[in-house]
Amino acid sequence: KQEVTQIPAALSVPEGENLVLNCSFTDSAIYNLQWFRQDPGKGLTSLLLIQSSQREQTSGRLNASLDKSSGRSTLYIAASQPGDSATYLCAVPSRSGYALNFGKGTSLLVTP
Amino acid sequence: GAGVSQSPSNKVTEKGKDVELRCDPISGHTALYWYRQSLGQGLEFLIYFQGNSAPDKSGLPSDRFSAERTGGSVSTLTIQRTQQEDSAVYLCASTLTNSNQPQHFGDGTRLSIL
Repeated sequence: KQEVTQIPAALSVPEGENLVLNCSFTDSAIYNLQWFRQDPGKGLTSLLLIQSSQREQTSGRLNASLDKSSGRSTLYIAASQPGDSATYLCAVPSRSGYALNFGKGTSLLVTP
Repeated sequence: GAGVSQSPSNKVTEKGKDVELRCDPISGHTALYWYRQSLGQGLEFLIYFQGNSAPDKSGLPSDRFSAERTGGSVSTLTIQRTQQEDSAVYLCASTLTNSNQPQHFGDGTRLSIL
């Protein structure tokens, strides 16, 4: 069964810092990897989806990389803002291709 | 609507009662997924629908859990004889097809069993 691990579990940074969130997975036979954001009491918002053939994806201040062979992905957030405070989750599909396996998330706090 | 809609947003019920949770996916999305998010377990897959069929029910935790989808649209997750360990947030997601696309999530139903 695919296991997804996220490090660190929690992170607190001052506004303006660049930061990196880490995700690792045990089965490298993945179709894609998806990063989500979850605000308290809300559902998940899709941030970036990287296909297995891609090395990275960018959206605004967010950049996600994927190294399938080593089973790792990173989410880079540039010039962090208090509005970035949320839990960030990474997920990879199961071998069937549709059910997502999630990490436990990184809880990010950006202080003014 | 523009996004995935779930109702109710909160449900409090007594142990032993049955509950129904509803998901209205994004219009035109053929694939629909149910997940459960609890403090100890994180996010767990429950069931996947393609159209009205459920090719994968492997995540349903017991036979007290069932789900159906009608008209290729709205889905209902039913929990019979609820137990306290069923307390969790139940999340629904949809995608345009079943392949390699971002899953779009609703805000979930927070279920509390007294």
